[in-house]
Amino acid sequence: GENVEQHPSTLSVQEGDSAVIKCTYSDSASNYFPWYKQELGKGPQLIIDIRSNVGEKKDQRIAVTLNKTAKHFSLHITETQPEDSAVYFCAASKVVYSGGGADGLTFGKGTHLIIQP
Amino acid sequence: AAGVIQSPRHLIKEKRETATLKCYPIPRHDTVYWYQQGPGQDPQFLISFYEKMQSDKGSIPDRFSAQQFSDYHSELNMSSLELGDSALYFCASSLEGAPWGPEAFFGQGTRLTVV
Repeated sequence: GENVEQHPSTLSVQEGDSAVIKCTYSDSASNYFPWYKQELGKGPQLIIDIRSNVGEKKDQRIAVTLNKTAKHFSLHITETQPEDSAVYFCAASKVVYSGGGADGLTFGKGTHLIIQP
Repeated sequence: AAGVIQSPRHLIKEKRETATLKCYPIPRHDTVYWYQQGPGQDPQFLISFYEKMQSDKGSIPDRFSAQQFSDYHSELNMSSLELGDSALYFCASSLEGAPWGPEAFFGQGTRLTVV
């Protein structure tokens, strides 16, 4: 089955600086890679995702890059703000785009992002 | 905007009892997923349903079962509860075949405590 490794487990950055979280996956058939933000006591919140036919995707201060050959994808957050403090999870799954549904997500172990004021 | 609704939010059960968790997906979403998250851990995929049929199975114990009903809501039935079943249980829903991708949106979870 799929295995997703995520690093670092904890990341502390100064407010206004950038944060980068990296993940690798093992199953070359995986083709969908979402990122979730989870605050204490709440459900994971989808913040950005990327499909395997795209190398990079950006949404305001958040960007994700994907290297299919290396089976590696990363989350980049620029101009970090205190409200960015949370646990971030990367995930991977296989999607059959012609119908039939998607497999469940395999998550990384999470990164606790701390934004220092 | 409507989100995924889970009930109850909190549940306390004794060992060997049964529990039923309910999930109401986002309107028009046809796929439901169940996840279990232990303290300080990542969510672990249990099972999913697409158009009321089981579509994928993860690490769901044999003591657990689930189904999706005609109105697309889903229930997770847990029997012979063990202390180790104490966790947050999340339901997520998505719309398969959406051109923008199978974005799965999570509910706020049910916190199950087994004593």
